[in-house]
Amino acid sequence: DILMTQSPSYLSASLGDTVTITCRASQSIAKYLNWYQQKPGKAPQLLIYAAFALESGVPSRFTGGESGTDFTLTISGLQPEDFATYYCQQTYGIPVTFGQGTRLDIK
Amino acid sequence: QVQLQESGPGLVKPSETLSLTCSVSGGSMRNYYWNWVRQPPGKGLEWIGYVYQSGSAKYNPSLKSRVSMSVDTSKKQVSLELSSLTAADTAVYYCARRREYFDSTLDAYDIWGRGTRVTVSS
Repeated sequence: DILMTQSPSYLSASLGDTVTITCRASQSIAKYLNWYQQKPGKAPQLLIYAAFALESGVPSRFTGGESGTDFTLTISGLQPEDFATYYCQQTYGIPVTFGQGTRLDIK
Repeated sequence: QVQLQESGPGLVKPSETLSLTCSVSGGSMRNYYWNWVRQPPGKGLEWIGYVYQSGSAKYNPSLKSRVSMSVDTSKKQVSLELSSLTAADTAVYYCARRREYFDSTLDAYDIWGRGTRVTVSS
């Protein structure tokens, strides 16, 4: 299985801050990397697909980056609705695997 | 706007078989892979598998011996069966559509149902 390791597991930040979440794959996954946001009691919502591409309707303050097997999700200018848990997902191999999640809380 | 709605029993007994249905509304099922993902209480996401409109399926090897998925395009439903249940199968079960991008070279789960909570307990 391809292991996806997210860091940090927990992040505390203030409104207006810029934060970056990292996801490292245990092997090359090309650009088969997606990011999701999940709020309590809700289903995950797609933010970024193919490492960089912004899903329709998602604010441009969300950006994806990639360097080899390291992938990043950056949120610029945190808004109240951004405080949630974020997951990365690889779809390069079977089984599809997710990172363990990064919980973003308001400071 | 495509919507997905999971349904099934909220409580099942250990050793029994869970049967869940995902109903698709507002769009076609054609040319999509339909996935099941689960989330135990307070934990992360686990991919269970997917089924294509043709009925071909891929499962998580960790669950493969206990999982079966099928699709009924006439009813616009996707089904999941998970056998030999234990408490470790207690989770919220989500149905999700896999969308393909860039000439089908990349994919992501663009539409999710609200999920259905399943508790395994005697």
